[in-house]
Amino acid sequence: KQEVTQIPAALSVPEGENLVLNCSFTDSAIYNLQWFRQDPGKGLTSLLLIQSSQREQTSGRLNASLDKSSGRSTLYIAASQPGDSATYLCAVVGNTGNQFYFGTGTSLTVIP
Amino acid sequence: KAGVTQTPRYLIKTRGQQVTLSCSPISGHRSVSWYQQTPGQGLQFLFEYFSETQRNKGNFPGRFSGRQFSNSRSEMNVSTLELGDSALYLCASSLAFSEQFFGPGTRLTVL
Repeated sequence: KQEVTQIPAALSVPEGENLVLNCSFTDSAIYNLQWFRQDPGKGLTSLLLIQSSQREQTSGRLNASLDKSSGRSTLYIAASQPGDSATYLCAVVGNTGNQFYFGTGTSLTVIP
Repeated sequence: KAGVTQTPRYLIKTRGQQVTLSCSPISGHRSVSWYQQTPGQGLQFLFEYFSETQRNKGNFPGRFSGRQFSNSRSEMNVSTLELGDSALYLCASSLAFSEQFFGPGTRLTVL
């Protein structure tokens, strides 16, 4: 069964700092990987989707990379802002079904 | 383009009752997935429907069931509610095997 791990569980940084969130998964037979953010009590907002054939995706200050062979993905956030404070979740979809396996998330706090 | 909508947003029930939650996907999306989110277990997959057929099912008891209609709207039903069913229930829609978009969720509280 696919297991997804996110490290660290919580992170606190001063505004303006660049940061990296990590995601690892045990089964490299994935179809795609998606990064989400979740604000308290709310649904998930899609940030970036990386297909298994891709190495990275960029959107604004966000850059996500994927190394399928090592079972790792990173989300890079440049010039962090207080509005980036949220829980960040990664999820992978296997080749055999449209079922997401989620990590436990990284709770990010950006201090003004 | 309208996003994924879920109704109701909040629900309070008592043990033993049953509940039905509704999800309307993004127009054109035929896949709808349901997830349960709790502080202790995180996000867990319940089931996925595509063109009115259940394609995937997570490891939940038979009290949890769902269905999808011809217009892709989906409902999830939980019978004989237990205290442990208190959670945020999220649905997501997508084209097949592509980016998933989540609704705001239904917060279910079982007393």
